[in-house]
Amino acid sequence: DSGVTQTPKHLITATGQRVTLRCSPRSGDLSVYWYQQSLDQGLQFLIQYYNGEERAKGNILERFSAQQFPDLHSELNLSSLELGDSALYFCASSVDDPVGAGGVNEQFFGPGTRLTVL
Amino acid sequence: SQQGEEDPQALSIQEGENATMNCSYKTSINNLQWYRQNSGRGLVHLILIRSNEREKHSGRLRVTLDTSKKSSSLLITASRAADTASYFCATGRDRGGADGLTFGKGTHLIIQP
Repeated sequence: DSGVTQTPKHLITATGQRVTLRCSPRSGDLSVYWYQQSLDQGLQFLIQYYNGEERAKGNILERFSAQQFPDLHSELNLSSLELGDSALYFCASSVDDPVGAGGVNEQFFGPGTRLTVL
Repeated sequence: SQQGEEDPQALSIQEGENATMNCSYKTSINNLQWYRQNSGRGLVHLILIRSNEREKHSGRLRVTLDTSKKSSSLLITASRAADTASYFCATGRDRGGADGLTFGKGTHLIIQP
């Protein structure tokens, strides 16, 4: 158990809909990362938050957005869903030095949310 | 885009044998990490090697890093059935801390009993 929790485990929805995925980081971790894993694209970094602020962006679509709340949990919002958005969505957390002396630290991954868009 | 590319894509060996996986990457890095993923589950961090290190050990794992060739290898010695999983190398862009990881496509390792 990594200490990172994600809800829900599974989500089935229709095209055009909007969903929210939730993540609680490990106790004490200030950084939260979101990743998407699909068969054709592999594991892709979407976005990072550190202590409530957006820190880095990866291949995140404009239809997707995220936020990190004062209690450090994070939500990933996916809207206008398309069939191609079906994937595993992972949240990870880490203890990051905001100054960034040593590069990206070890990340602890949650069990993921499997999204199926029909 | 994929930063790392693992080789081979799939590997099947007998229990007790050693398994070697390779990873190549494209840009400069601060460190390189290896993760394991059991089928459809979350990733588990295995080992991190910094750009100024050449070799690192952790239990049955040995990782090497060659920054001149932009490549790394992961060796699992005395393999067990429980080692069956996908293995990914991951790097962060060399921009100091704030960044997500870029993963390769992974090596799917099967340990035959």
